Amino acid sequence: DAKTTQPNSMESNEEEPVHLPCNHSTISGTDYIHWYRQLPSQGPEYVIHGLTSNVNNRMASLAIAEDRKSSTLILHRATLRDAAVYYCILRDVDNYGQNFVFGPGTRLSVLP
Amino acid sequence: NAGVTQTPKFRVLKTGQSMTLLCAQDMNHEYMYWYRQDPGMGLRLIHYSVGEGTTAKGEVPDGYNVSRLKKQNFLLGLESAAPSQTSVYFCASSILAGGSYEQFFGPGTRLTVL
Repeated sequence: DAKTTQPNSMESNEEEPVHLPCNHSTISGTDYIHWYRQLPSQGPEYVIHGLTSNVNNRMASLAIAEDRKSSTLILHRATLRDAAVYYCILRDVDNYGQNFVFGPGTRLSVLP
Repeated sequence: NAGVTQTPKFRVLKTGQSMTLLCAQDMNHEYMYWYRQDPGMGLRLIHYSVGEGTTAKGEVPDGYNVSRLKKQNFLLGLESAAPSQTSVYFCASSILAGGSYEQFFGPGTRLTVL
């Protein structure tokens, strides 16, 4: 299975941009890159996903390296509500492509 | 829509007891999943289902059984609970969206086995 590597923790100041990195050097050509986040005492929630091109939505942007061996989740203006654990996940296309593998993620702290 | 709901929210069991966790979704999703999350760890997939009447093993299936008799429900059973099964259990559902499978998660069930 392709694996991801993320920093254990990061800090940001409120209203500043945050760049959360993820390395996935063994990614295969058909693996999608997903980002989820988990707020304290809640289930994870979807943030964004992409395959090759950069992606934007109302929550964040996803920048994917040209060789796809790394990606960066960008929060344009961090708020206190963005303090969470962020998971970078590759969708394994084994079986029915359903086997999401969550690593320990990056714990983001947002300082007022 | 209620989304994904889980019953119960909390439970304490003694070693050897059995119980069933219920997951329900009202989004007409084909795919459903059960994960466990131990303190300070990411989620690990226990079992999943790609449709009514079908189930498959995930990363950590031992000690658990599942059933998907109705499309909207996915049950997780522990036949003989062990302290190692103390964890928070999350259910999720998904539908193919934009070439991928966005998952919607429930609020979790906190299980303690004494």
